[in-house]
Amino acid sequence: GENVEQHPSTLSVQEGDSAVIKCTYSDSASNYFPWYKQELGKRPQLIIDIRSNVGEKKDQRIAVTLNKTAKHFSLHITETQPEDSAVYFCAARGSGGYNKLIFGAGTRLAVHP
Amino acid sequence: NAGVTQTPKFQVLKTGQSMTLQCAQDMNHNSMYWYRQDPGMGLRLIYYSASEGTTDKGEVPNGYNVSRLNKREFSLRLESAAPSQTSVYFCASSESGNNEQFFGPGTRLTVL
Repeated sequence: GENVEQHPSTLSVQEGDSAVIKCTYSDSASNYFPWYKQELGKRPQLIIDIRSNVGEKKDQRIAVTLNKTAKHFSLHITETQPEDSAVYFCAARGSGGYNKLIFGAGTRLAVHP
Repeated sequence: NAGVTQTPKFQVLKTGQSMTLQCAQDMNHNSMYWYRQDPGMGLRLIYYSASEGTTDKGEVPNGYNVSRLNKREFSLRLESAAPSQTSVYFCASSESGNNEQFFGPGTRLTVL
């Protein structure tokens, strides 16, 4: 079935460093790839997304890249800050139904001052 | 504008009890979703409703039923709760043709 794998499961960086989270997906028909941030005890919130007709998208310190041939996409956070500490989830819209998202297992990012 | 709201915030059930989780959105979205979140497993889709009057199974529908009461409300029912249904449940909504999903605050359910 449809699957999204996410790595690493935990990531620890120093404030100001960059952080990269990678995801691979199995359904070659997937065409929408959002990233959600979830702070402790809070709801997931969309931080950036990319569609299959675009290879890269950037929003201030956050960027996402997509390689459709290899079926993987990545989240890049530059100049990390303590408030970036959270769990990040990637997702891919599956082809099996309307706007159904398949989520990765999540990456717990810790940014140390 | 409250966005997506869920009730209750917390619930403890005994095995075999039933309950309904409520979800409402005030963004005039056509599509609504129920997810469960377990440690190390991300968010898994239980059921979704593409539009008022329709519902479809997601990845993990067994043991659950849903009702799209109207455009605003989408409820999730556990007929006979099991310990394996201990989880955090999130409701979400989105516009038709727009993929961003907006999540509610979640319901933490424990089944003893």
